[in-house]
Amino acid sequence: AQSVTQLGSHVSVSEGALVLLRCNYSSSVPPYLFWYVQYPNQGLQLLLKYTSAATLVKGINGFEAEFKKSETSFHLTKPSAHMSDAAEYFCAMKAGANSKLTFGKGITLSVRP
Amino acid sequence: KAGVTQTPRYLIKTRGQQVTLSCSPISGHRSVSWYQQTPGQGLQFLFEYFSETQRNKGNFPGRFSGRQFSNSRSEMNVSTLELGDSALYLCASSLDPGPGNTIYFGEGSWLTVV
Repeated sequence: AQSVTQLGSHVSVSEGALVLLRCNYSSSVPPYLFWYVQYPNQGLQLLLKYTSAATLVKGINGFEAEFKKSETSFHLTKPSAHMSDAAEYFCAMKAGANSKLTFGKGITLSVRP
Repeated sequence: KAGVTQTPRYLIKTRGQQVTLSCSPISGHRSVSWYQQTPGQGLQFLFEYFSETQRNKGNFPGRFSGRQFSNSRSEMNVSTLELGDSALYLCASSLDPGPGNTIYFGEGSWLTVV
């Protein structure tokens, strides 16, 4: 069965520190992977997506993610956290022609001044 | 161009009533999907439509239904509302169901059942 795992529910970093949000997937076919961000009382905004063109994917707001097939991972990083990055982050996957978009549980990122 | 538009944004219903939520996809997008978001269950897939046909359905009871019109606009309906149906309902659209296509989300409809 296809699944997305985001370990932990909350990450707290200091402003200017590295942001690392982990995502692991399970799929029997090559996946398409996405990171979305959700600010309070808003919908989901796409940060970046992996579609097999390049393993290192750059997204908006300084975020990037690296696809590692051997580790079945697609971790999201940002070199320097900003207060405005505080939000909930979702990793998602689509795998196969008729598959639905499957989400992880989400991680809440807090940024301390 | 305009994003995915969902109406209404907020609504309160009583147990046993029914509700219809509307979604207008991005212009040119023909695939529309719906998700339910709750604190306990996270984001759960409801259904997906493409060219007025339901392509995929999540694990929800038959009280949850949807449809898509010829202009790609979509509606979802929940009948005989239960307290547990209180949630944020998100609509999303993409060009077509291809797995690599970017899926864009609307702001959601907040449903409270009392």
